Amino acid sequence: GAVVSQHPSRVICKSGTSVKIECRSLDFQATTMFWYRQFPKQSLMLMATSNEGSKATYEQGVEKDKFLINHASLTLSTLTVTSAHPEDSSFYICSARDVRGLAGVLSTDTQYFGPGTRLTVL
Amino acid sequence: EDKVVQSPLSLVVHEGDTVTLNCSYEVTNFRSLLWYKQEKKAPTFLFMLTSSGIEKKSGRLSSILDKKELFSILNITATQTGDSAVYLCLGGSNYKLTFGKGTLLTVNP
Repeated sequence: GAVVSQHPSRVICKSGTSVKIECRSLDFQATTMFWYRQFPKQSLMLMATSNEGSKATYEQGVEKDKFLINHASLTLSTLTVTSAHPEDSSFYICSARDVRGLAGVLSTDTQYFGPGTRLTVL
Repeated sequence: EDKVVQSPLSLVVHEGDTVTLNCSYEVTNFRSLLWYKQEKKAPTFLFMLTSSGIEKKSGRLSSILDKKELFSILNITATQTGDSAVYLCLGGSNYKLTFGKGTLLTVNP
């Protein structure tokens, strides 16, 4: 259980185009999903917290108009990188918080990560 | 500002060795400490610790939390080459997770 998928796993696009990345929780409901970015040899950097049915909360320094997040359902959140530029090339990872732990015990902190999306902007 | 500090940042051992990875944290409204293993892609969940002094075990891996000293360790016994990865420690509060920089573990044959 607790599987999170991301699509696409890899995308290469031209500068100026927009790219949409999907994050799905496959076997549980996720009221909260998180979007991270990871640069080579660095830890994950939280970009934004996405709550189902409401606006995302962005971390300081993350442009909300550039990284559009939509969390329309309890199992799907999307990140759209608008007008992508080469400096946006990175590894983007989503995670979903399972409001009940694997044993059914209320657990609000366990996050399950998607496999990530490698974005390359030419 | 919340922070999570892991040590060492990198470690090289031989198969069969036992390793201990360290994590100290300063997290406001602390709720839990989480350990993840990250290989080539996204992190995979290992442990979530909420209570002090209770060891959690999964095969050759075990972890324990000391809420008084704000510290956790992750032990791996009889290491194998497949244990080579970055091990991430995260401090969970009411609203977010704070990441440590990770420990890069390399297990040589």
